[in-house]
Amino acid sequence: AQSVSQHNHHVILSEAASLELGCNYSYGGTVNLFWYVQYPGQHLQLLLKYFSGDPLVKGIKGFEAEFIKSKFSFNLRKPSVQWSDTAEYFCAVNSFQKLVFGTGTRLLVSP
Amino acid sequence: GAVVSQHPSWVICKSGTSVKIECRSLDFQATTMFWYRQFPKQSLMLMATSNEGSKATYEQGVEKDKFLINHASLTLSTLTVTSAHPEDSSFYICSARRGINYGYTFGSGTRLTVV
Repeated sequence: AQSVSQHNHHVILSEAASLELGCNYSYGGTVNLFWYVQYPGQHLQLLLKYFSGDPLVKGIKGFEAEFIKSKFSFNLRKPSVQWSDTAEYFCAVNSFQKLVFGTGTRLLVSP
Repeated sequence: GAVVSQHPSWVICKSGTSVKIECRSLDFQATTMFWYRQFPKQSLMLMATSNEGSKATYEQGVEKDKFLINHASLTLSTLTVTSAHPEDSSFYICSARRGINYGYTFGSGTRLTVV
């Protein structure tokens, strides 16, 4: 069965620091990849998704992610974080019509 | 577009009673909806896939008689937690997808507390 690993459970950064959150998945077939964000007290929102084409995907709020098929990875990046990026970030993989989530990374950005 | 409404947002019920949670796609039709459970400080665990007009597909370890899912129309799926117990207390989230080229849209979740 598909599994998704997010290696960083908690990340603390200062404003303007660069961010990279790791995501690896287990199944190597055709997959769709997603990053979702959950701000405190809010529901999940889609940051970006990869279905096919350019492996470097740009999403909302300055986020981007790179799909590296050989590494089964889909890491999330942002060159300069803001305090408002404080949230929990979930990587998810869609395979066999099911969305499987990673355990999430809680990001705290200090002003 | 692509809005999913989930109701209620929170509910407290007594042990032994049943609770129904609704999930509606407001501006699109969803032949398939999904129900997740999120434990504190943990990820979302898929409970079941709700198929319009047919039986839901449950994940391994999820009791189908405990968590009744009905997908009566293309815009509505319901999850009923039957004979609720305190260990059923959790955050339940539904999602729906417009089509295979779209992402999943999530409801705002329902926090269930069984006392």
